[in-house]
This record gives sequence, C-alpha cells and structure tokens, in this order.
Amino acid sequence: AQTVTQSQPEMSVQEAETVTLSCTYDTSESDYYLFWYKQPPSRQMILVIRQEAYKQQNATENRFSVNFQKAAKSFSLKISDSQLGDAAMYFCAYEGSNYQLIWGAGTKLIIKP
Amino acid sequence: EAGVAQSPRYKIIEKRQSVAFWCNPISGHATLYWYQQILGQGPKLLIQFQNNGVVDDSQLPKDRFSAERLKGVDSTLKIQPAKLEDSAVYLCASQAGRLNEQFFGPGTRLTVL
Repeated sequence: AQTVTQSQPEMSVQEAETVTLSCTYDTSESDYYLFWYKQPPSRQMILVIRQEAYKQQNATENRFSVNFQKAAKSFSLKISDSQLGDAAMYFCAYEGSNYQLIWGAGTKLIIKP
Repeated sequence: EAGVAQSPRYKIIEKRQSVAFWCNPISGHATLYWYQQILGQGPKLLIQFQNNGVVDDSQLPKDRFSAERLKGVDSTLKIQPAKLEDSAVYLCASQAGRLNEQFFGPGTRLTVL
C-alpha cells in the first residue's frame, strides 16, 4: 500500500524568506501524481501545485515550486518570498492508479512578521 | 463557477444521536468524495462516488455511517448513532476527472459530546 510521510509537524519562517517543506512517499507504481494542498485555519483546502511522475521537470506556480526526486521518492515544496497569507497547514498527497488521494499528516507553516 | 457547498458548517450532538451532512458538488463533476479529518491529521477517505455509484467505501464504518448520492449530484452522509471518536471535520470534495484537482467544500465540524 502507498504511504505518504511528512516528517515536519511544524515549520516557521520569517516573512519574505524561503522555506522548504518535506514529503516522502512509498509506492511500487511507476505512474502517479503528487500534490501539495494548503488548508488555512478554518478555511477550505485548496490545491497549491501538482506534479506528474512521468515529467522530469519540476512544477512551478509563481512563488511555489517543488523538488521532485523520483528515485528517492521525495517531493518537497519550496515557498519563496513567504507572505503572511501563506500561513496554513500544508498537506502532501499521492494519487495512484485507483485515482484516490493518500494524504500525509500535514505540516503547520507559521510565518513570522 | 460556484464551489462545493456543504451544510451545516458546525454541528454539536450528544453520543448516540444521529446527524446528517449535505454536499452539493461543482456542477458537472462526476466524482464526489467524503473525507473525515480528525484534528492534527490528514483527510481520510470515507467513500468515493462516480456519478451515483459507489466506487470505494472500504473505509466507511458501515455499522454506523451511510452515504448516498441521488441522481449523481447532491450527496448526504449520515452517522447513526454517533460516537465520541466521530468528532472531526467532514470534508466533501468533487472532481471532474482524473488529472483534475479535487475541489473541497468548507467542511462540517462535528463535535460529539
């Protein structure tokens, strides 16, 4: 069975600095998708960025980028120029052949003004 | 476009009582998910619908939980009778198809006393 591990329960960063959130996963599949979702306090879960496993190029969305290491089964999220609005729980998720998301436990990101 | 709607937003009940949650997905989204998110954890899939058919309900505690999606649109999730450990946020998400992101509703926060 697939698993997703987020080893950092909480991270903090100074506003305008860069922070990297870690995620590792375990799978025997070769074709899958990886996601980072953001869940602000008392607000809806929203997609931050996605990565298709067959693509070697790392996905980028404005200040958000990933470092996808397929062989190492690692999928980290880098947030550049951190803003107060980035404070949230961040979840890493895996989607395999059954189209269902397997979620990590989340990392709470704190932005220090 | 309108997002995923859920109601109620909050519900407090006593153990052994019954409760029902409602979800209206984004128009045209064939796939609908119900998740249970316990505080400090990632979402756990309870049931997945494709149109009005159940794709996966392997993690749904069927002795007390039930869900239906009539006419392939709205869905209801029911708990009867509730237990203390059912206290969680219940998230509904809809998806147009694979490779498309899951859109989440605001969730229903259930407290069982």
